[in-house]
Amino acid sequence: AQKVTQAQTEISVVEKEDVTLDCVYETRDTTYYLFWYKQPPSGELVFLIRRNSFDEQNEISGRYSWNFQKSTSSFNFTITASQVVDSAVYFCALTGTTSGTYKYIFGTGTRLKVLA
Amino acid sequence: NAGVTQTPKFRVLKTGQSMTLLCAQDMNHEYMYWYRQDPGMGLRLIHYSVGEGTTAKGEVPDGYNVSRLKKQNFLLGLESAAPSQTSVYFCASSYERGRELAKNIQYFGAGTRLSVL
Repeated sequence: AQKVTQAQTEISVVEKEDVTLDCVYETRDTTYYLFWYKQPPSGELVFLIRRNSFDEQNEISGRYSWNFQKSTSSFNFTITASQVVDSAVYFCALTGTTSGTYKYIFGTGTRLKVLA
Repeated sequence: NAGVTQTPKFRVLKTGQSMTLLCAQDMNHEYMYWYRQDPGMGLRLIHYSVGEGTTAKGEVPDGYNVSRLKKQNFLLGLESAAPSQTSVYFCASSYERGRELAKNIQYFGAGTRLSVL
């Protein structure tokens, strides 16, 4: 079975602190993709990043970075020097050959509150 | 470029009423999806479509029907609304032919908040 676990329901940090959002996944597929989406208070989900199972290289985009580790089945997301605008719900998602390469399995989301 | 547009944004129904949610995308995407988002449960797939005239069941299809008569539109229907269908509904789309590398990146609408009393 495929599953995505985001154990952190809610995290609160003070502005400028670093914060890491955890994502642990389960899949038997050899080929799979992992995603992070941001859901700001306005409601729409915004695509942040996609990683495939053959590419374990970490990625940095501005204040955002992602750590993909197949050995621990994790795809964690770190925000450096957090800002109030980072306040949102963040979802991790998985798709692979079992679910169909176009159907996502979502985690339950982590609500991040960045306090000024 | 509007992307994915959902109408209406809000709706209140009484138990037993019917309604249709409309999703329209202008990205020439082949695939479209309907999800529901409930507190503590993330997003769950209701139905999806891999092309005009095709639909398939997702994880939680009961109580819903869909149609995709035109490539750009995906309709979600509730024939007899129940309080358990109170939720936020999201439409998404993906896959423009010729852009295979981005095939599985889904783009979402702003959601429809539905309350069934």
